[in-house]
Amino acid sequence: GAGVSQSPSNKVTEKGKDVELRCDPISGHTALYWYRQSLGQGLEFLIYFQGNSAPDKSGLPSDRFSAERTGGSVSTLTIQRTQQEDSAVYLCASSTGGGTEAFFGQGTRLTVV
Amino acid sequence: GENVGLHLPTLSVQEGDNSIINCAYSNSASDYFIWYKQESGKGPQFIIDIRSNMDKRQGQRVTVLLNKTVKHLSLQIAATQPGDSAVYFCAERHSGYALNFGKGTSLLVTP
Repeated sequence: GAGVSQSPSNKVTEKGKDVELRCDPISGHTALYWYRQSLGQGLEFLIYFQGNSAPDKSGLPSDRFSAERTGGSVSTLTIQRTQQEDSAVYLCASSTGGGTEAFFGQGTRLTVV
Repeated sequence: GENVGLHLPTLSVQEGDNSIINCAYSNSASDYFIWYKQESGKGPQFIIDIRSNMDKRQGQRVTVLLNKTVKHLSLQIAATQPGDSAVYFCAERHSGYALNFGKGTSLLVTP
């Protein structure tokens, strides 16, 4: 389809390992967001890419988290040395600009054991 | 970050009744607001949005009201149906920044 695609849909990893989560935004969308959602909680902002501007990384919880967006399209969220508290659903969204509705992917459920 | 919160964490309504979900925000610079619906196991789905130069906007069975004076946002769902059962999030942003979400209200529609 033409929606936001995230992979993998589920990921189980051992504590201390690194993980990479991928987001394919809707074609032509210049804005891309990453959020984290713990069970029964709201969406915690992680990072925001808008066009060629420097990303807003103010939501990244620690230096173990990083994200990049290559060619203004696909984005990868990397978590190094995963901890159990990193377990959550990681949601990606994209929009045509910062001031318009954002479309979400189905998320990646990360479980750190 | 700025606080976006919801007055009621859970709301139970009977099928056919109207539902009202409330949201408070604290950033007076916010200029764009969205309501999302999230069903179990799925990503949030856009319902309706409103810009700060408007007080009211209507969609199909849904209405969003914005009161900038008291920094309050509400979502009204007319003739609530079982398929409306979900968690509803409000989100706000101000120019140049990412959407900031509240914790959500769980809406349960009973027959």
